[in-house]
Amino acid sequence: GAVVSQHPSRVICKSGTSVKIECRSLDFQATTMFWYRQFPKQSLMLMATSNEGSKATYEQGVEKDKFLINHASLTLSTLTVTSAHPEDSSFYICSATTGTSGSYEQYFGPGTRLTVT
Amino acid sequence: DAKTTQPPSMDCAEGRAANLPCNHSTISGNEYVYWYRQIHSQGPQYIIHGLKNNETNEMASLIITEDRKSSTLILPHATLRDTAVYYCIVRVTGSGYALNFGKGTSLLVTP
Repeated sequence: GAVVSQHPSRVICKSGTSVKIECRSLDFQATTMFWYRQFPKQSLMLMATSNEGSKATYEQGVEKDKFLINHASLTLSTLTVTSAHPEDSSFYICSATTGTSGSYEQYFGPGTRLTVT
Repeated sequence: DAKTTQPPSMDCAEGRAANLPCNHSTISGNEYVYWYRQIHSQGPQYIIHGLKNNETNEMASLIITEDRKSSTLILPHATLRDTAVYYCIVRVTGSGYALNFGKGTSLLVTP
């Protein structure tokens, strides 16, 4: 099946700093990528939808100036958490879809555990 | 997207079939039933999806009732590695559509 990678898998940063998370589709081109966030003992919550070459669409309540998303190529999307605070500590997961006709299942990355101290 | 209802938790003995139910009584004609699972601290994994016919792949079988208001995911021979949270999601197909994860069913496979 299609493979999606994320880097880093874990990151610890100090409050006020910025962190960049990369999401790559390794063996397919992803026209659309999604970013989710998951707090402990909760389900995944969609943060934003990212289409290659255009601005991301953010869900209500997600600050676009705080969570910067760049989808510069068909295989790479990045999420930058700017001026991170402890409440941003979470499990961040990206997904990508191949977009081929009749095959729209999403493939997820392994996730990035962010801890802000 | 149509709302789904799943039991919060289920147990299954290793080697036995695990049958995970899902209710989606408000499903629309163009909405598919998708199943994903999430093993602890990992990203979700796609399992199977279907529209109205029963589907089978190397991981599982999906049984959809004739009125499409409910479905069952079957893991024919559960192993300890199948312990995970299983999500039943109903949505239209298409590359631009995100997945709306509910609370899912936490399946515990016991020795």
